[in-house]
Amino acid sequence: QVQLQESGPGLVKPSETLSLTCSVSGGSLTNYYWTWVRQPPGKGLEWIGYIYYSGATNHNPSLKSRVTVSVDTSKNQFSLNLTSVTAADTAVYYCAKGLDYLAVWGSGTTVTVSS
Amino acid sequence: DIQVTQSPSSLFASVGDRVSISCRASQSVNYYLNWYQQKPGTAPKLLIFFASNLKSGVPSRFSGSRSGTDFTLTISGLQPEDFATFYCEQTYSIPHNFGQGTKVQIK
Repeated sequence: QVQLQESGPGLVKPSETLSLTCSVSGGSLTNYYWTWVRQPPGKGLEWIGYIYYSGATNHNPSLKSRVTVSVDTSKNQFSLNLTSVTAADTAVYYCAKGLDYLAVWGSGTTVTVSS
Repeated sequence: DIQVTQSPSSLFASVGDRVSISCRASQSVNYYLNWYQQKPGTAPKLLIFFASNLKSGVPSRFSGSRSGTDFTLTISGLQPEDFATFYCEQTYSIPHNFGQGTKVQIK
């Protein structure tokens, strides 16, 4: 059974870049889609974007051009970069397997944007 | 963007009750509608995919149905471990969207 684990800084300063990595174990990235979702404190889920193992990607237009999702098949990891962060980007960030439905989720990592 | 409106936002129910949660899409999403369960402090878990397909390992008391752009998650015989927040998600078009969530609480 594939398992996902998010990692990255828990605190990011305003205007800086949030960088997270999702490590995939128990299976390969190959031939699958991988998705990022976030959840602000006490609120609902927001879809951020996805990447295919080949590198094809798309993201939520509400985040404008601040989002970059990348993949490293040699490390069995995919990553999220979110630039110019503000307090509104404070959330639990989840990585998940799939696109049409999210069958497996990481446990999530909390990112706080604060100076 | 396709919006998904979930209702109710919360409900109170007792163990053994039959519970229904609705999700309405602002336009056709075909069968691209999924249901997730989330307990406090944990990641969401997939229950139902493509409107009515039960994920392997999910108890059969959970079921999903579709009528046009209206979708329903039904729990037949609520169990103590079912008290949680439930979300629908449309994956028909980008950006994918989640409903606002329904919190199922103990009466």
